[in-house]
Amino acid sequence: EDQVTQSPEALRLQEGESSSLNCSYTVSGLRGLFWYRQDPGKGPEFLFTLYSAGEEKEKERLKATLTKKESFLHITAPKPEDSATYLCAVRANTNAGKSTFGDGTTLTVKP
Amino acid sequence: GAVVSQHPSRVICKSGTSVKIECRSLDFQATTMFWYRQFPKQSLMLMATSNEGSKATYEQGVEKDKFLINHASLTLSTLTVTSAHPEDSSFYICSAREPSLGEDTQYFGPGTRLTVL
Repeated sequence: EDQVTQSPEALRLQEGESSSLNCSYTVSGLRGLFWYRQDPGKGPEFLFTLYSAGEEKEKERLKATLTKKESFLHITAPKPEDSATYLCAVRANTNAGKSTFGDGTTLTVKP
Repeated sequence: GAVVSQHPSRVICKSGTSVKIECRSLDFQATTMFWYRQFPKQSLMLMATSNEGSKATYEQGVEKDKFLINHASLTLSTLTVTSAHPEDSSFYICSAREPSLGEDTQYFGPGTRLTVL
């Protein structure tokens, strides 16, 4: 059974204080790992897709990296508007197209 | 990026009534759509996978007769909550995959907040 564990559950940062969110996963043949941002009362917003170990992707202050067992979402010099819940999900090669989601990390950035 | 819409965004209904939620892919054709349920401060729980022109595949524990899913076209899937009860109150979110981009990414709708009185 595919599993995704995100840590920490909650993270509070001062504006400008860089940090990383972790997503550990077990999957029977990784097809893709996904990062989403979700604001309260909204649907998840797509951030990144990573396909193979060593791959990295960046978008503004966010950078996602992937190894064979985990992914990190690095946040550089965060701003209050980066406050949200960040979700990680994996899709296996053989699971009828389903993705397995982690419970998310709720990030709060204080000015 | 691909856009997915949901309607309504918020609905309040009386216990025992049925509610229909629409999910549309606005600028792409989605052969596969997914329906999720999300409780406060919890992650997404997959309810069913909807494939255009065929019956939906429900996850274990999800009642097929209570949560009716129809994927009649490549841009529209509907979820009908039949005989709704207060315990069905939740945030329902759909997503669609855009295979034309060659990616496996799911794009999510904005969600529908259902409150059953």
